[in-house]
Amino acid sequence: DSGVTQTPKHLITATGQRVTLRCSPRSGDLSVYWYQQSLDQGLQFLIQYYNGEERAKGNILERFSAQQFPDLHSELNLSSLELGDSALYFCASSARGGSYNEQFFGPGTRLTVL
Amino acid sequence: QQQVKQSPQSLIVQKGGISIINCAYENTAFDYFPWYQQFPGKGPALLIAIRPDVSEKKEGRFTISFNKSAKQFSLHIMDSQPGDSATYFCAPKAAGNKLTFGGGTRVLVKP
Repeated sequence: DSGVTQTPKHLITATGQRVTLRCSPRSGDLSVYWYQQSLDQGLQFLIQYYNGEERAKGNILERFSAQQFPDLHSELNLSSLELGDSALYFCASSARGGSYNEQFFGPGTRLTVL
Repeated sequence: QQQVKQSPQSLIVQKGGISIINCAYENTAFDYFPWYQQFPGKGPALLIAIRPDVSEKKEGRFTISFNKSAKQFSLHIMDSQPGDSATYFCAPKAAGNKLTFGGGTRVLVKP
C-alpha cells in the first residue's frame, strides 16, 4: 500500500458527461501528479501540483482540469467526455516537487465512457 | 516524436533465468533514470533508479546499467522468480519531477 488513495475505483459514464476523480496524497506529501494510462497512449503525465499551485503540465487536454486544495487533496475534472477518454487515471504524490523525489502511485481510477 | 523507446514489449523467461529490458531515450535533459514495476490492478511502484553520474547500480536481484553516451539504460533481473511477473516501465525524469514513461515490458516468469 503506497499510502495514496484514489476514489472512486471504477467509474462508468456516458459521452458528453463530466466526472471528478479524487486523490489523497501520502501524509506529509506536498506534490501531487496525475497520469493517464491507456492501451494506445501508454502512461502519460498530465499535470503536477505543489502545495496548491500548478507546477508542470503535460499532455492534458483542455477539457480536463485539476486543482489541489489547502488540505493537499487533489481533484481531476474531466468534461465533455469522449470514448477515447476511457483509461486508468493514476494519482501519485511525492514529498516535494523537485528532483529525485520518489513518486508513490495510488491504485488508480478506471474510467469507462460508453 | 517518441522520447522513450522500451524493448522488448514482452518476454517470457524460465524461473532462475535472466530478464533484460532496454530503454533508449532522446532527451538529454533527463537527469534521473528509474524503473517502475506494475502488477495487474495496481499502480506503478519504484523498483530501482540510477543517477547519470553512475554507470551501474545493483539492488538485490535487480541491476540498472546506464550508458550516457548511447542514451540507453537497461534493467537486468537475475534469478527471475514467478513473483517478478509484472509490467516494467522505464520512466526517465526531466526538470522538476516529471516522469516520461516508456511503453512497458510485460514479463512472464514460468515456474
